[in-house]
Amino acid sequence: ILNVEQSPQSLHVQEGDSTNFTCSFPSSNFYALHWYRWETAKSPEALFVMTLNGDEKKKGRISATLNTKEGYSYLYIKGSQPEDSATYLCAFGSGAAGNKLTFGGGTRVLVKP
Amino acid sequence: EADIYQTPRYLVIGTGKKITLECSQTMGHDKMYWYQQDPGMELHLIHYSYGVNSTEKGDLSSESTVSRIRTEHFPLTLESARPSHTSQYLCASSVSTGAQETQYFGPGTRLLVL
Repeated sequence: ILNVEQSPQSLHVQEGDSTNFTCSFPSSNFYALHWYRWETAKSPEALFVMTLNGDEKKKGRISATLNTKEGYSYLYIKGSQPEDSATYLCAFGSGAAGNKLTFGGGTRVLVKP
Repeated sequence: EADIYQTPRYLVIGTGKKITLECSQTMGHDKMYWYQQDPGMELHLIHYSYGVNSTEKGDLSSESTVSRIRTEHFPLTLESARPSHTSQYLCASSVSTGAQETQYFGPGTRLLVL
């Protein structure tokens, strides 16, 4: 089983502050890196699919970067709002496994008003 | 908006019972997946299907079985539930689009076996 690590496991953010967290994955056989947002009692929702080294994606106040050579991706939340409270999952797709994904343990974000 | 459904959402059942967790999608996706998530742990792939009559075991060994008789339906069955099967089960689907392929998830079924 491939090793995908997310850190920190959880973080508390004051409303209005910006934050970021990390996903580490194997640097070999890279195919794609996915980010999902999972709110309590809802389905995981796809945020980004990243495939190229140096990729940067943005959706509203959330953005992500990708470094496939060193095997990490950062997700940034700018000006956090209470509705950003969720668990953020990254998932690694390897060339060997094609579209099968290996998930990290998630970073649980709680934005306090 | 993804249209993928799972029933039941919550299930409490006694040891030894046979259970089937339902998963349906209305998007015509060819690929479907089952993931298991124990509390505080990662999602692990336990089954997947690339089309009708195609099923494969995932990375995490599971005593459950699956079938794919229709494109839209991918049920998971446990013949004899045990407390070790207590977990959350998520179903997902995707359509083949190469590297940008996104999996769409259902809301999950939380299973408690007493």
